[in-house]
Formats: sequence, structure tokens, C-alpha cells
Amino acid sequence: GQSLEQPSEVTAVEGAIVQINCTYQTSGFYGLSWYQQHDGGAPTFLSYNALDGLEETGRFSSFLSRSDSYGYLLLQELQMKDSASYFCAVSGNTPLVFGKGTRLSVIA
Amino acid sequence: EAGVAQSPRYKIIEKRQSVAFWCNPISGHATLYWYQQILGQGPKLLIQFQNNGVVDDSQLPKDRFSAERLKGVDSTLKIQPAKLEDSAVYLCASSVPGQGETQYFGPGTRLLVL
Repeated sequence: GQSLEQPSEVTAVEGAIVQINCTYQTSGFYGLSWYQQHDGGAPTFLSYNALDGLEETGRFSSFLSRSDSYGYLLLQELQMKDSASYFCAVSGNTPLVFGKGTRLSVIA
Repeated sequence: EAGVAQSPRYKIIEKRQSVAFWCNPISGHATLYWYQQILGQGPKLLIQFQNNGVVDDSQLPKDRFSAERLKGVDSTLKIQPAKLEDSAVYLCASSVPGQGETQYFGPGTRLLVL
């Protein structure tokens, strides 16, 4: 089966950089996705890594190391609106499996 | 482009009652998913459709949950009878076939079972 580990909560200051880590165990790994979910809202897709390395999309970057079964989401120039839950999710031989999420609180 | 539509947005029922949720995916998205999200947890897949066929329903509690997508477009998820532990947000998502890592979610239906 699949399992994912990510920190339950992270707090960071507005304007700073924060990294949310995700480790996973799965069979037939295809890639690692990241989703953002604001309170009361729907999850929205942020990024997907199928290959090792860093993918950058504006203020957000995502990294994957397949050999270490590890990835992270990097958020730069944090804004108050970035306060949300962030989920990593693995795709493989089975449909997408989500982690329990990391609740990011951005403080002034 | 219209997003994934779901209704109702909220539902309160008593245990042992039945309830149904509706989802209309993004036009052209052949793959449709139903998820259950309990407060403080990640979405858990209940069932995945490809057009009107079931791809994966391994985590669907089939004694009480059922889902259909008869014409390969919109879908209905039903719970009968509901239990207290079914209180959750039920999310519908859709994707282009072969791009399941990129899913588009609807606003969800918040179910409270009393």
C-alpha cells in the first residue's frame, strides 16, 4: 500500500520562505503532486513532479528525489493568503493517494 | 471554462436516513472521482470512474455507499443508511484521462449526520 508523512503544522512569517516536506512509501511510483486547500474550500492543484529535481512555478517550487522517496514544497515571499493546508499526493499503480496535510499559518 | 459543480453544498440528516450527492465534472473530463474528507485529514478516494465504467472502488463501503455515472458525464453518490461516522465533506473531482495527478475539485458537499 501507500503511506505519506508530512508535518501536521508549520508557522512562518510573512515575506519569509517555508519548506513543507513529504516522505512516501508506495509501489509503482509515478510522481508526487501538491495541492493547496483553504479552510472551507476545495483542493487546488499546485504542482507535479515525475522526475528528480526542482520545478518552479512563480513563488512556489516543488522538489522530488525518487531515490530517497522524498519531496518538498517551497513557498517563497510568503503572503497571508498562503495560509492554508498543503497536501502531498502520490500517483502510482493505484489512484492518487493524499497525505494528511500540513496546515501552514502565515503570521505578520 | 466552468469548473466541477456539486450539489447540495450542505446537508444535515439523522443516522439511518439516506442522502444523495450530485456532481457534474468539467466538460470533456472523462475521469471522475468521489472523495471523502474527514476534518483534519486528506481526501480519501471512494470511487473512480472512466466514462461510465468503474476503475477503482476498493475503498467504497459497498454495504451502504453506491455511486453511478450512467451516461458518462454527471454522477451521483448515495449513502443508505447513513452512520454518524459518515459526517465529512464529499468532494468530486475530474481529470483528463492519463493525467490523474492533476485533478480539478468541486466545492464539496458538507454532510452532518446526527
